[in-house]
Amino acid sequence: KNEVEQSPQNLTAQEGEFITINCSYSVGISALHWLQQHPGGGIVSLFMLSSGKKKHGRLIATINIQEKHSSLHITASHPRDSAVYICAVIPYNNNDMRFGAGTRLTVKP
Amino acid sequence: DAGVTQSPTHLIKTRGQQVTLRCSPKSGHDTVSWYQQALGQGPQFIFQYYEEEERQRGNFPDRFSGHQFPNYSSELNVNALLLGDSALYLCASSFAQSSSYEQYFGPGTRLTVT
Repeated sequence: KNEVEQSPQNLTAQEGEFITINCSYSVGISALHWLQQHPGGGIVSLFMLSSGKKKHGRLIATINIQEKHSSLHITASHPRDSAVYICAVIPYNNNDMRFGAGTRLTVKP
Repeated sequence: DAGVTQSPTHLIKTRGQQVTLRCSPKSGHDTVSWYQQALGQGPQFIFQYYEEEERQRGNFPDRFSGHQFPNYSSELNVNALLLGDSALYLCASSFAQSSSYEQYFGPGTRLTVT
C-alpha cells in the first residue's frame, strides 16, 4: 500500500462545477504539498500545509492532521484547470518527499 | 530571478549507455533533490544533495549517482541504462535553513531509453 493515496484517479467535470480531490497518508508528516502538473511535465506548487486551511483564488486546500487527510477544492472550475494534481508529503525527520499517483482532472467547456 | 532550470529537455539513449542530467537551483537555494517520474505515476525520490554531499537516498540502485557543485548546481548520472529508466527526471531545490519545507521544481528532463 502506498504511503500517499489519492482519489479519484481520474475526474471529468463540466466548466463551472465544484471539484474535490482527496489525499490520505499513513505516515507522520511535517508538511503536505498540493502540486499541479501540466502536460509536458513541469510541476508547480499550489499549496503547502501543516494545519488548517489555505485559499488562493478559486483553490482551497484543507488538512486534518489527526485523520491524516487533505482535500483540494476548485470552485467554478475552468478548462484551464485541466491538469494532474499531485499530493505529496514530507515525513517527520526526513528530507524527501513522498508522492501520490496523481489525479488527472479534465474540465470540459 | 531564474527559477530551477534543467538540461537537457529531452534525451534519447540506448540500453547500456550512460547519461548525465543537470540542474541549477533557484537563486538562494542550497539543496537539490532529484525525482524519477514514470509515465502515469507520481514522482519517486532518488536522492538529495546538500553541502556537496548526498544527504538522503531513496530506493534506487547504485547505477544512479549524483554530484553537487560549490555553486549548488547538481548532476544526476545513470549508468548501464535500462529500458525501465525511461522517465521524466525532476529536480527540485530548497533552502536547508528554511522552516517552510518549500520546494521549487524544474521543468524536468524526459529520458527515453531504446
